[in-house]
Amino acid sequence: EAGVTQSPTHLIKTRGQQATLRCSPISGHTSVYWYQQALGLGLQFLLWYDEGEERNRGNFPPRFSGRQFPNYSSELNVNALELEDSALYLCASSGGEFGETQYFGPGTRLLVL
Amino acid sequence: AQSVTQLGSHVSVSEGALVLLRCNYSSSVPPYLFWYVQYPNQGLQLLLKYTSAATLVKGINGFEAEFKKSETSFHLTKPSAHMSDAAEYFCAVSDRGSSNTGKLIFGQGTTLQVKP
Repeated sequence: EAGVTQSPTHLIKTRGQQATLRCSPISGHTSVYWYQQALGLGLQFLLWYDEGEERNRGNFPPRFSGRQFPNYSSELNVNALELEDSALYLCASSGGEFGETQYFGPGTRLLVL
Repeated sequence: AQSVTQLGSHVSVSEGALVLLRCNYSSSVPPYLFWYVQYPNQGLQLLLKYTSAATLVKGINGFEAEFKKSETSFHLTKPSAHMSDAAEYFCAVSDRGSSNTGKLIFGQGTTLQVKP
């Protein structure tokens, strides 16, 4: 069974541009989670989508947004990129219930120049 | 609110030696606890999960962790380290406020170095 997939693997943008990151969950999973792993800042929760709705967001500015499609895949959009947005963005999926294991994809490494 | 503290950002052991990575948690509700491993330039891989079914949890690659409520700890151990165990390890707890928030709260991570 395929795991969580993410694309692209690497993304290079310049400051002020927009970035779009994509995630496909494990088949049967309805929840998608996004995390940011920036150097020195650890793993920070960004967003949780379940059944097409945003259920929760972390302490990030509104220029971080996303959506979940009817097939449960998800997009993360980062507008007006700043240098400190450079990080590994990890997507995870689960069935959405409290305490369920979140399975992670390989990540998208975003570099903002 | 839930929180996780990993003691020691860097642990170095010799090949064949015991691995002990420390994790303490804070939770107002019975916790769901996880250990993940991250190899260089990869995502997170689940090692094991505590769900209250048993205090000693066995995971993949010979790792296990013991839940100790009295010590609020969930330390990760492996009897004999292999070179391939060199990676970064994260302890995490499922966050719950008045309802499911969906997020995992991670510790800062521990880098395990295995010396030949």
